[in-house]
Amino acid sequence: SQQGEEDPQALSIQEGENATMNCSYKTSINNLQWYRQNSGRGLVHLILIRSNEREKHSGRLRVTLDTSKKSSSLLITASRAADTASYFCATAVNRDDKIIFGKGTRLHILP
Amino acid sequence: DTAVSQTPKYLVTQMGNDKSIKCEQNLGHDTMYWYKQDSKKFLKIMFSYNNKELIINETVPNRFSPKSPDKAHLNLHINSLELGDSAVYFCASSQDSRRGKAQHFGDGTRLSIL
Repeated sequence: SQQGEEDPQALSIQEGENATMNCSYKTSINNLQWYRQNSGRGLVHLILIRSNEREKHSGRLRVTLDTSKKSSSLLITASRAADTASYFCATAVNRDDKIIFGKGTRLHILP
Repeated sequence: DTAVSQTPKYLVTQMGNDKSIKCEQNLGHDTMYWYKQDSKKFLKIMFSYNNKELIINETVPNRFSPKSPDKAHLNLHINSLELGDSAVYFCASSQDSRRGKAQHFGDGTRLSIL
C-alpha cells in the first residue's frame, strides 16, 4: 500500500528560483528519505531525515519533517537546469523493514 | 566502477517467453532489492534479500523468481511473460536490512513485451 504522496505532481520554475516539493504520509515512520531520478536513470539518494529530527541541510537542499502533520518538504534553492528530474519521498515505516515510495514530483527547470 | 549494475539495460521479447535480469553490487552491502516501476513512475518493491536470505516477498506472481547466489548478486527470472510485465525493473542495495537504510539503485532494465 502506498505511504507517501508528493505534491505537486509536476512543477516548472525558472532557473535560479527555489523549488519546494511536499510529501505527506499516513503512518508512524522511522525515517523519511528523498530521492532524485533523472530521465532514464535509477534513483539517487539525496537525504535522510529521522523521525526525531525537524530539519536537515545538504548543499542546496533543505528538508523539513513535521511528524505531527505527517508531512515533509524538500526545498531546492537557486535551481539549475541539472535539477530537472523526478523527486520521490520514501518512508521507512516503524513496523517494517522496507521503504515505501510515493509517486514523485516531476520538476522542470526552465532556462 | 559502477556501484549497482544490472543487465541487460533493454529487453524486448514476446509474450510467453522466459527471461532473466542480472544485478551485481560492489558496495559490500548485505541487502539487495528488486523494484518494479510502472508507466506512471510508481515504484513498488518486489523482493529483498539479506545475505542471500529472502526477507521481503511482496504479492508478486509465482512467475517471478529471484535468486541470490551470493550477497553481491541478485538475479530475477520471469517465466511466461505477460503484457502487464512491461515496466522498468530496478535493482538496489543497502548496507543492511535494518529499518530504512538509504538505498543505491542501478539504472534499470526496460522490459517490453510484444
